[in-house]
Amino acid sequence: QKEVEQDPGPLSVPEGAIVSLNCTYSNSAFQYFMWYRQYSRKGPELLMYTYSSGNKEDGRFTAQVDKSSKYISLFIRDSQPSDSATYLCAMVRGSQGNLIFGKGTKLSVKP
Amino acid sequence: NAGVMQNPRHLVRRRGQEARLRCSPMKGHSHVYWYRQLPEEGLKFMVYLQKENIIDESGMPKERFSAEFPKEGPSILRIQQVVRGDSAAYFCASSPQQGFSPDTQYFGPGTRLTVL
Repeated sequence: QKEVEQDPGPLSVPEGAIVSLNCTYSNSAFQYFMWYRQYSRKGPELLMYTYSSGNKEDGRFTAQVDKSSKYISLFIRDSQPSDSATYLCAMVRGSQGNLIFGKGTKLSVKP
Repeated sequence: NAGVMQNPRHLVRRRGQEARLRCSPMKGHSHVYWYRQLPEEGLKFMVYLQKENIIDESGMPKERFSAEFPKEGPSILRIQQVVRGDSAAYFCASSPQQGFSPDTQYFGPGTRLTVL
């Protein structure tokens, strides 16, 4: 079993739709849960992160962590064509910052 | 403040040649991570360095790959005798200190290595 699992999609939605992206993980020691956005041919950029469990909201984006189910989600409200990208979940093993990534979900928002 | 710089952005090598990938961290950052992204795969950790010291190389292939981060100059990921399976995007990330904080670790734009 991989430490972090993420459905690679692709996922195609119309503009304005609510998008739900998810990852599952197996290591209960993970404490930081990150979501990165990666545009084609670019490096990942941090979108938002959560420490431990709970929800975090930033504009149109909401991150949720359910540690009992080892399940994390990213919701995008009122999706825009500019949100079209690959979304990667990531977690940290240990204290040194070596990130463990999911495969990424490729999202396309159609105008 | 310039971000993390990587060069070259694209590198083409023939099988058996050497590839050298360079990463200049953000100003004030003294720690560098290297990741590899194979086609259709997520990023995989390779090595974590601070200046003049390898902290964690648990993700590095045992042969042909090496990394350094000298006191002066960029961090270098070196791949000797490249094979087609080395074709991937290689990303570095930098942070200002040991230990992890998500909002102080930044990724570079990557180097895309193609092995013919």
